[in-house]
Amino acid sequence: TQLLEQSPQFLSIQEGENLTVYCNSSSVFSSLQWYRQEPGEGPVLLVTVVTGGEVKKLKRLTFQFGDARKDSSLHITAAQPGDTGLYLCAGGSQGGKLIFGQGTELSVKP
Amino acid sequence: GAGVSQSPSNKVTEKGKDVELRCDPISGHTALYWYRQSLGQGLEFLIYFQGNSAPDKSGLPSDRFSAERTGGSVSTLTIQRTQQEDSAVYLCASREGRNTEAFFGQGTRLTVV
Repeated sequence: TQLLEQSPQFLSIQEGENLTVYCNSSSVFSSLQWYRQEPGEGPVLLVTVVTGGEVKKLKRLTFQFGDARKDSSLHITAAQPGDTGLYLCAGGSQGGKLIFGQGTELSVKP
Repeated sequence: GAGVSQSPSNKVTEKGKDVELRCDPISGHTALYWYRQSLGQGLEFLIYFQGNSAPDKSGLPSDRFSAERTGGSVSTLTIQRTQQEDSAVYLCASREGRNTEAFFGQGTRLTVV
């Protein structure tokens, strides 16, 4: 059974601080995606990483895919209150299945 | 349609009744997924369709849960003899292919009383 472990589960920080969210598995994934979800809405894609060792940047967000394609991290620089939300990693298998981690609830206080 | 559409958006049902949740995926998307989400939690995988077949239904919690997809489009998730622990938001997503973005509906909030 493929599982994705996300940490931390909850994160409360002050505006301007940096943070990192981790997504780990014992399984290899063909791709890994990060989503952000706001209350009452479905998750919305932030990024897809496919190649081991890949690093992608999206403004203040930096995403990394591990060399072995088993883990990923999301780093936010100078967090802002608008970054508040539930961050989810999702792993895709060769068969097409898409599974999600438990999520990281981020709260950025002004 | 423009996006993934789920209906109803909210459903309150009595314990023991059956419910049907509907998902209209984005036209042309071959993959369709059902997930369950409890308040503030991650997404629990239920079932995945590729076309009309379900290569993986390993996440269905019990035999009270079933799902079908017809015409490679609309999918229905049925929960028989609902229990209070079935209360959650049920999310549907579709995507075009592997490694592509999954587009989610707004979900159906199911409350079993």
